Amino acid sequence: GAVVSQHPSRVICKSGTSVKIECRSLDFQATTMFWYRQFPKQSLMLMATSNEGSKATYEQGVEKDKFLINHASLTLSTLTVTSAHPEDSSFYICSARDQGSVGYTFGSGTRLTVV
Amino acid sequence: SQELEQSPQSLIVQEGKNLTINCTSSKTLYGLYWYKQKYGEGLIFLMMLQKGGEEKSHEKITAKLDEKKQQSSLHITASQPSHAGIYLCGADNTGTASKLTFGTGTRLQVTL
Repeated sequence: GAVVSQHPSRVICKSGTSVKIECRSLDFQATTMFWYRQFPKQSLMLMATSNEGSKATYEQGVEKDKFLINHASLTLSTLTVTSAHPEDSSFYICSARDQGSVGYTFGSGTRLTVV
Repeated sequence: SQELEQSPQSLIVQEGKNLTINCTSSKTLYGLYWYKQKYGEGLIFLMMLQKGGEEKSHEKITAKLDEKKQQSSLHITASQPSHAGIYLCGADNTGTASKLTFGTGTRLQVTL
């Protein structure tokens, strides 16, 4: 079945630095990938839709300059949290839809801690 | 406002008992997806429903979509500790599968 690989699984960074999270579709091409954020004991909040070769579409209230998304190829989307602050600490998870599969496939998530 | 509401928010059941989780949408559900998540991990796809009145089962889990396509239920029969986790319903409200938004989630604990 479709597999989405997300890296890193955990990252700790200092305030003010930037962190890049990668999301790869391993055995299928994904023209569209999705980035979610999850706070403790809460559901997933859609942050943005990543479109290959074009600008990402951000949900209302998500700062595009803070959360930079790049989808340079059909198998890779990256989310960069710029000038990270402790309030950016969260669980970030990506997903992609394989046209040949039912459902959206999710990565294993990245736990970001900003100290 | 939240477009997808799940109930209950949390649930503790004894092993062997049945349980039901509900997902209600304020918009028409063109596609309704059920996922399970263990805390801090990715999501495991359970089932997808599209047609009004549709019902699907896998092992001890049954999901239904009502005729009006605005409510879905997930029923677990004879619950086991392995069923514990967070259950999330996700909705395609666009009809084009262009994005998936999630409900509030239900945290399930199964006691021995």
